[in-house]
Amino acid sequence: DAGVIQSPRHEVTEMGQEVTLRCKPISGHNSLFWYRQTMMRGLELLIYFNNNVPIDDSGMPEDRFSAKMPNASFSTLKIQPSEPRDSAVYFCASSLRLAGGYSKVLTFGAGSRLTVL
Amino acid sequence: DAKTTQPNSMESNEEEPVHLPCNHSTISGTDYIHWYRQLPSQGPEYVIHGLTSNVNNRMASLAIAEDRKSSTLILHRATLRDAAVYYCILRTRGGSNYKLTFGKGTLLTVNP
Repeated sequence: DAGVIQSPRHEVTEMGQEVTLRCKPISGHNSLFWYRQTMMRGLELLIYFNNNVPIDDSGMPEDRFSAKMPNASFSTLKIQPSEPRDSAVYFCASSLRLAGGYSKVLTFGAGSRLTVL
Repeated sequence: DAKTTQPNSMESNEEEPVHLPCNHSTISGTDYIHWYRQLPSQGPEYVIHGLTSNVNNRMASLAIAEDRKSSTLILHRATLRDAAVYYCILRTRGGSNYKLTFGKGTLLTVNP
């Protein structure tokens, strides 16, 4: 099992550019999470998908951020246009949510470190 | 969400046991106690979780107070690889239990 795979691991871009972060969850997991980590705010949940459907996007900071999950094995987080304050490490995580509503533990990817100049 | 309180940092020596405390005085009956850790430059990883009884796994032990208002993560023999930020998180069963809300955690330093 390769775990949760994120790409790119590092991204440096200029303000105003579009950034796309990618995530491949663990096969068989039906829940996917995008988190952001900064020194100031720690780890914050941005969006949660269950069975490819966005369930909770209350953590998405503003309209510049969007996330999609076109199928069970792929998700993207897009920032357009990017700003310096978006610089952070973005983590994708997946888990298995059972029919009774209980979610099993989360497995995180290694993260994508974004620097916006 | 019920909150947890952890010391900002702790220090240990290699090969010695480490007891990481967590206070959660407002815990509800449906809250599980989860521990995750984050090694440098990595994503968080699951360590252990429990509800009422003490729990053991290959990584650690979790001791839960009888009134459930506090718990302790026990690393039986710390290694340098255990240096990480340890997060104590309450996760309710059902409803919005998909969420893991991370606090600041405890930074554990392990001295050789």
